[in-house]
Amino acid sequence: RKEVEQDPGPFNVPEGATVAFNCTYSNSASQSFFWYRQDCRKEPKLLMSVYSSGNEDGRFTAQLNRASQYISLLIRDSKLSDSATYLCVVKNAGKSTFGDGTTLTVKP
Amino acid sequence: DAGVIQSPRHEVTEMGQEVTLRCKPISGHNSLFWYRQTMMRGLELLIYFNNNVPIDDSGMPEDRFSAKMPNASFSTLKIQPSEPRDSAVYFCASSSSGSMWTDTQYFGPGTRLTVL
Repeated sequence: RKEVEQDPGPFNVPEGATVAFNCTYSNSASQSFFWYRQDCRKEPKLLMSVYSSGNEDGRFTAQLNRASQYISLLIRDSKLSDSATYLCVVKNAGKSTFGDGTTLTVKP
Repeated sequence: DAGVIQSPRHEVTEMGQEVTLRCKPISGHNSLFWYRQTMMRGLELLIYFNNNVPIDDSGMPEDRFSAKMPNASFSTLKIQPSEPRDSAVYFCASSSSGSMWTDTQYFGPGTRLTVL
């Protein structure tokens, strides 16, 4: 079983839709959690950290459930520019483990 | 401020040749990471350094791979001899360990390696 698992998608949604991604992790000792975004043929970039209490950044909301060992990302009012691959990242000590990513395509 | 700089951006070589990838982290960052990304295996951590010292190299696939960080502003990843299965995008990332648990990694643009 992989340390970090994501539904690969692809998710194809119309503009304005709400879409949610989940990610599960196997190491209960994991300390910190992030969502990164990767555009085609580009490097991953931090989208947002995920805090225990949940956090929101504009149209993006991240949640952490330690008991069930999963994190989620909710995107509201999706834009064409949100089309990308979203990578879940779980960190323990200095080491980050990336999920394989969920691909989102937002269509007009 | 310049971000993480990697060179070359693209490398095409023949099987058996030595390949050296280079990375300059963001100034002031003291952690450096080398990743490899392929369609089949996703993004894999190969090795990371903290204050120029290798901390975890368990992701290095085999002895053909080696990495060095002679100073805070430079690191290399070497493959010798290279094989076609090494073809991938190699990313370097750096972070400032204000907190080892929460610091953000900043990625370079990657080196796209093709071994024929």
